[in-house]
Amino acid sequence: GDSVTQMEGPVTLSEEAFLTINCTYTATGYPSLFWYVQYPGEGLQLLLKATKADDKGSNKGFEATYRKETTSFHLEKGSVQVSDSAVYFCALRSGANNLFFGTGTRLTVIP
Amino acid sequence: GAVVSQHPSWVICKSGTSVKIECRSLDFQATTMFWYRQFPKQSLMLMATSNEGSKATYEQGVEKDKFLINHASLTLSTLTVTSAHPEDSSFYICSARSYMAGASSYNEQFFGPGTRLTVL
Repeated sequence: GDSVTQMEGPVTLSEEAFLTINCTYTATGYPSLFWYVQYPGEGLQLLLKATKADDKGSNKGFEATYRKETTSFHLEKGSVQVSDSAVYFCALRSGANNLFFGTGTRLTVIP
Repeated sequence: GAVVSQHPSWVICKSGTSVKIECRSLDFQATTMFWYRQFPKQSLMLMATSNEGSKATYEQGVEKDKFLINHASLTLSTLTVTSAHPEDSSFYICSARSYMAGASSYNEQFFGPGTRLTVL
């Protein structure tokens, strides 16, 4: 069945550090891949997505590339800010099926 | 993006009582709504999917008589936890998706802020 394996946290970084959160997936067919972010006290928000191999999703300085050969969708940001502190979820959806989420990675950025 | 609200944001109840959680899509029509449960430090687990005017489809292992879902309109779904027990304490999150052609939110899934339920 479909599944998402996400790097366990928590992750603590200093401001302006480089961020990578690993995400790999298992799916039949050709899923769409997503990163969601959950800020404290708020609901999940779509951060970025990619719908086919080699697509790169980007938003707010974050990027992730859909790598079919390694079944990965790692999230990266070149210079994190304190305001990026949140929980990040990798997710996939195959066709019209529901979203499958990873376990989430809590990021804390310290000044 | 579209907004999904949940009410209440947190609730504490006694064991054996029932609790209703409301989920509303505020600025779009949600043809499909989803209910998730999130345990501490764990992922979101899909409980059920409901389409407006139809009975909900529950995931394996979710008791449909315990978690009653009603999706009576295109903007409102409710989850009622019946005869709640301490093991039902959790964070419940709803999500809404619109399949209406032409809508800017077509086929995207939006999440509510969640409801924390504590059963004493």
